[in-house]
Amino acid sequence: NAGVTQTPKFRVLKTGQSMTLLCAQDMNHEYMYWYRQDPGMGLRLIHYSVGEGTTAKGEVPDGYNVSRLKKQNFLLGLESAAPSQTSVYFCASSYSRVMNTEAFFGQGTRLTVV
Amino acid sequence: TQLLEQSPQFLSIQEGENLTVYCNSSSVFSSLQWYRQEPGEGPVLLVTVVTGGEVKKLKRLTFQFGDARKDSSLHITAAQPGDTGLYLCAGAWGFGNEKLTFGTGTRLTIIP
Repeated sequence: NAGVTQTPKFRVLKTGQSMTLLCAQDMNHEYMYWYRQDPGMGLRLIHYSVGEGTTAKGEVPDGYNVSRLKKQNFLLGLESAAPSQTSVYFCASSYSRVMNTEAFFGQGTRLTVV
Repeated sequence: TQLLEQSPQFLSIQEGENLTVYCNSSSVFSSLQWYRQEPGEGPVLLVTVVTGGEVKKLKRLTFQFGDARKDSSLHITAAQPGDTGLYLCAGAWGFGNEKLTFGTGTRLTIIP
């Protein structure tokens, strides 16, 4: 009963390096989201997708790119990592975009940029 | 940008005590959700409140949505160590789950 799986769980990057975070869900959900969580700031939406092949910007999209080539996967890319991108990243998915539909979250990826 | 302030930021109490945490905003939300997040895990939805003044109970947890739909509270009766975690409120300000604003969180510790 996997739900939403994020890889990797931890990563340390040097400034300027690139990486991709992978999110996979096995619930056949249409909608997927990437958030970052920083102390004292709650969760902030980076990008989201309302279906395979579609993506849209959230509240804090700068410095990130995303792709949704397959319905079950949502990738978050950092092209040139910066220390300000040190954070815990969460992926979530939901079966509907209707308000109040429960979003299921992954376990998070802790990223440190030095 | 809609803002949701949660208070207190940290709360540490003894097992068996009662507590209330608050979620406040100057904006009106169409609905509000409460999540609990345990260390190393993602948030898990506890409840959604939709109507102003609505009260929902989940065992020892009581959730209330303010009459004006700008604030909410979570009351826990007879707290237990299993209630320990980060409690997040999230307000919906439009159609679509992408229009959720998360609060800053209350980190609750229940001491056995």
